[in-house]
Amino acid sequence: GIQVEQSPPDLILQEGANSTLRCNFSDSVNNLQWFHQNPWGQLINLFYIPSGTKQNGRLSATTVATERYSLLYISSSQTTDSGVYFCSSGSARQLTFGSGTQLTVLP
Amino acid sequence: DTGVSQNPRHKITKRGQNVTFRCDPISEHNRLYWYRQTLGQGPEFLTYFQNEAQLEKSRLLSDRFSAERPKGSFSTLEIQRTEQGDSAMYLCASSLAGDQARDYGYTFGSGTRLTVV
Repeated sequence: GIQVEQSPPDLILQEGANSTLRCNFSDSVNNLQWFHQNPWGQLINLFYIPSGTKQNGRLSATTVATERYSLLYISSSQTTDSGVYFCSSGSARQLTFGSGTQLTVLP
Repeated sequence: DTGVSQNPRHKITKRGQNVTFRCDPISEHNRLYWYRQTLGQGPEFLTYFQNEAQLEKSRLLSDRFSAERPKGSFSTLEIQRTEQGDSAMYLCASSLAGDQARDYGYTFGSGTRLTVV
């Protein structure tokens, strides 16, 4: 099956800083989604982005399907952005998730 | 709609007991998924329903696991003869399907944390 590699595995930022998270895929990108898992374990869907660029407030994502990668940009980070960020790709029937990027935003 | 609802939130059970979890998806979502997540890992796929039909099952889903979605509404996941290795967070998600769906993104529930002692 598809392999999903996320980088960096851990990231510590000062509040207000910007960051870029990356996902590389070993196979064709389909149904690509980014999620944020908050410290209470809730997974929140940030973007459904099989290709192109989307923006939602301070967050934006870009998927370059031909090169099998996706980027998540977080600008002006806040402490509430802390948690684990996952990317995923797969068929309509199942997604494969990466191991996540653990983000800590310090006040 | 209040999103995807999962019950119970936590379950502690003795090894060898059976447990059942429930998931109520977003009402207009016809796709329903079960995933399992262990500490430090991303969610792993278990099974997929479209309406009431179970169309995909992972090899992770041993014969001790069974899932149903009667009438294409809520779903249940049952684990028989639980083992300590079954301890994990069990996550349910739902999504839209069909030509009119412009966003196939998942909505996850809060999960059921299972501890087998």
